[in-house]
Amino acid sequence: DQQVKQNSPSLSVQEGRISILNCDYTNSMFDYFLWYKKYPAEGPTFLISISSIKDKNEDGRFTVFLNKSAKHLSLHIVPSQPGDSAVYFCAAKSNTGNQFYFGTGTSLTVIP
Amino acid sequence: DTEVTQTPKHLVMGMTNKKSLKCEQHMGHRAMYWYKQKAKKPPELMFVYSYEKLSINESVPSRFSPECPNSSLLNLHLHALQPEDSALYLCASSQGLLRRTHSYEQYFGPGTRLTVT
Repeated sequence: DQQVKQNSPSLSVQEGRISILNCDYTNSMFDYFLWYKKYPAEGPTFLISISSIKDKNEDGRFTVFLNKSAKHLSLHIVPSQPGDSAVYFCAAKSNTGNQFYFGTGTSLTVIP
Repeated sequence: DTEVTQTPKHLVMGMTNKKSLKCEQHMGHRAMYWYKQKAKKPPELMFVYSYEKLSINESVPSRFSPECPNSSLLNLHLHALQPEDSALYLCASSQGLLRRTHSYEQYFGPGTRLTVT
């Protein structure tokens, strides 16, 4: 059973606009969330994270929002750049152990 | 140095072979992980080592045997694999697993593409 879900397999955005990637989770014991970016033939690269005690974390062009009541988080990239084109995974960690659970990924294409 | 290296990049092995995947990091991280990723699927956690001790084994078949010889190295020994074990095997490391003192950010290697024939 997939505990972390990314319901949009793909997303296309014009360069300069905002990209919004969404992630939903089912386990209320998750207390730490991360976003990774993956290019073909490479391992995932860490982008940004957020603890469950916060509802927003910002790092440059990347902002992650967490809505605990809705069990939803989103990654905003603004402005989007062609180099942002990659697969984005959200991941979550349970406070009951050291397991990390990944979503299925969203393939972002930023059109020049 | 924020790099996690994995060797080999590609591996083709028969079902009766014994092989090993290797992972190395020199960031002083005390937690290391093995993930398996099939095409168009998310990475699935296999094993977690914390301070060179096995912390988590996510019900992985015994034909996969992890080993952490020291804090910088992580191996995955393979024996009698099945064709369905063909996948990308990713190694990752993080500072550690103690919430108050460690960051959970995982640094991933490029992976080993394994094909079992």
